[in-house]
Amino acid sequence: QVQLQESGPGLVKPTETLSLTCTVSGYSISSGYYWGWIRQPPGKGLEWIGTIYHSGSTDYNPSLKSRVTISLDTSKNQFSLILNSVTAADTAVYYCAREDWGFSDWGQGTLVTVSS
Amino acid sequence: QAGLTQPPSVSKGLRQTATLTCTGNSNIVGNQGAAWLQQHQGHPPKLLSNRNNNRPSGISERFSASRAGNTASLTITGLQPEDEADYYCSAWDSSLRVWVFGGGTKLTVL
Repeated sequence: QVQLQESGPGLVKPTETLSLTCTVSGYSISSGYYWGWIRQPPGKGLEWIGTIYHSGSTDYNPSLKSRVTISLDTSKNQFSLILNSVTAADTAVYYCAREDWGFSDWGQGTLVTVSS
Repeated sequence: QAGLTQPPSVSKGLRQTATLTCTGNSNIVGNQGAAWLQQHQGHPPKLLSNRNNNRPSGISERFSASRAGNTASLTITGLQPEDEADYYCSAWDSSLRVWVFGGGTKLTVL
């Protein structure tokens, strides 16, 4: 069974960079499938951030595209999210997930708060 | 960017049947289908049905998904207290290459 686990700082200052890593176990990310990041502001719905394919190509939410980078590290079986120039509006639980005709496996999520 | 419309809340009685809807445009729901997620408070979402209306292993047969035109539906039969949760639909817009989520429906089991 595929398992995912997010890691990274829980507090980021405004204007700085949010950086999260998703460690995947039970499957080699270089073998296939798509891998995504989704976030959920407190008390609100889900927002897709972007997806990276096992080839390394990416798709991003147009509303975040100018600030987002998703990358793969196949040697560590991880994929990462970088979000630049954060504001309080970026405060959310960030999830990583495996995409297979839908987001089929999810990490537990990590709360990232943007505050000075 | 096209959106998916879900009713904010649905209430049904124990052991009754609930049908949750998700309406989008032909570029997404109509052509690509919709996936359904269940989320209990404080937990990550769980996939109930993928875009092909297939249930992952371990998901109860009480959950079934369908599509008619640009509207996707999730039907939950024999409602149980543990079905009380938020339900989200999601769809892939192949023309814009973006995933879209509905705003979610809060299901209350009375």
